[in-house]
Amino acid sequence: AQSVTQPDIHITVSEGASLELRCNYSYGATPYLFWYVQSPGQGLQLLLKYFSGDTLVQGIKGFEAEFKRSQSSFNLRKPSVHWSDAAEYFCAVGSFGGYNKLIFGAGTRLAVHP
Amino acid sequence: GAVVSQHPSWVICKSGTSVKIECRSLDFQATTMFWYRQFPKQSLMLMATSNEGSKATYEQGVEKDKFLINHASLTLSTLTVTSAHPEDSSFYICSAASEGAAGQYFGPGTRLTVT
Repeated sequence: AQSVTQPDIHITVSEGASLELRCNYSYGATPYLFWYVQSPGQGLQLLLKYFSGDTLVQGIKGFEAEFKRSQSSFNLRKPSVHWSDAAEYFCAVGSFGGYNKLIFGAGTRLAVHP
Repeated sequence: GAVVSQHPSWVICKSGTSVKIECRSLDFQATTMFWYRQFPKQSLMLMATSNEGSKATYEQGVEKDKFLINHASLTLSTLTVTSAHPEDSSFYICSAASEGAAGQYFGPGTRLTVT
């Protein structure tokens, strides 16, 4: 079955600390992987995506993610978190570059302490 | 680039009435648009996929007669919630995709409250 698992429902970090949000997927075809961020009451903003090539992808706002096929993972990282990073983060997998429907994880809510 | 808008951003309607939500791709032509529903503190649930000029494809469990989707052009899709009831209250988000846009881009969402 196709699925995305985000094991951490809620994470709290201190401002300036590093961050890693976990994402594991189960997908029969070649996965196209995405990370989105959602602020309260807002839509989703694309942080980064992985289609092929270099397994370490850089995104906006200083985020990066690493695709590890052997572990079926696509974890999101940021070396130094800012208070404005507090939001909900969703990992998603799709096919054909994301032109088809996406399967979303349950999301991880990030809180940032000053 | 790749901006998607939704209108209205929030709407309150009375039970039994219908409400229409618009989704527009502002700077690219979207061959496919998706409609999602999101309950508070939950993930997005895909409701349907629409391709320009074709009938929408609904996910299992979604009532097609209740949630009418029209993809009239490459930049506009509409979702009409017919005979709305309080349980239809939710956050509805659309997304648009095309090969040229290299991915799927989301609108800001519409908060629907049915009283």
